[in-house]
Amino acid sequence: QVQLQESGPGLVKPSLTLSLTCTVSGDSISSSSYFWSWIRQPTGKGLEWIGRIYTSGSTHYDPSLKSRVTISLDTSKNQFSLKLTSVTAADTAVYYCARAPYFYGSGTPTHFDYWGQGALVTVSS
Amino acid sequence: QSALTQPASVSGSPGQSITISCTGTSSDVGGYKYVSWYQQHPGKAPKLMIFEVSNRPSGVSYRFSGSKSGNTASLTISGLQAEDEADYYCSSYTSSSTLVFGGGTKLTVL
Repeated sequence: QVQLQESGPGLVKPSLTLSLTCTVSGDSISSSSYFWSWIRQPTGKGLEWIGRIYTSGSTHYDPSLKSRVTISLDTSKNQFSLKLTSVTAADTAVYYCARAPYFYGSGTPTHFDYWGQGALVTVSS
Repeated sequence: QSALTQPASVSGSPGQSITISCTGTSSDVGGYKYVSWYQQHPGKAPKLMIFEVSNRPSGVSYRFSGSKSGNTASLTISGLQAEDEADYYCSSYTSSSTLVFGGGTKLTVL
């Protein structure tokens, strides 16, 4: 059974960097069949796709966050991570990691079949 | 990329059918078969209910079905049950090679 679990600080000060890790069990992030993504949801609001990484290490980010986001892989730990720089209160949200099927030639996930439980990150001084 | 448009709320009685719409443009919903629907109960992670407009993942009830006409996709839930009460979100691939979500619809089972 595939499981994803987010971890990281729940409180980040404005202008600093938000860092989260997603630990995957029941599947390998080295699999060529999936993208690994981050999605966020501000409290009481809708979902926002942040970006994805593939086993090759290639990444693709939403243009609205691209200048501040880095997603990386740690295959030895079967984890992938999110870093978001220069955070503000607008970045306060529940952050989810998720798995998306990969189709040959695709660069963007089209749907997410497994999700982590989510991690609330609050940006505040 | 603007969010897809969904009604803020819909409601129905047990046993009835309801439909939730998701309206975009020819650059997203209307241009691709990559429309998905997610169910989210309070405090829980979203759950995939429909992918590629009308496909149900294994384990999802046959009462959930999806369709698309032009720039509008729809999720229909038949035989409404109390456990269906949740928020529902649509998403679509876009011509900018990104993924956009709808604002969400709160389903109330009366």
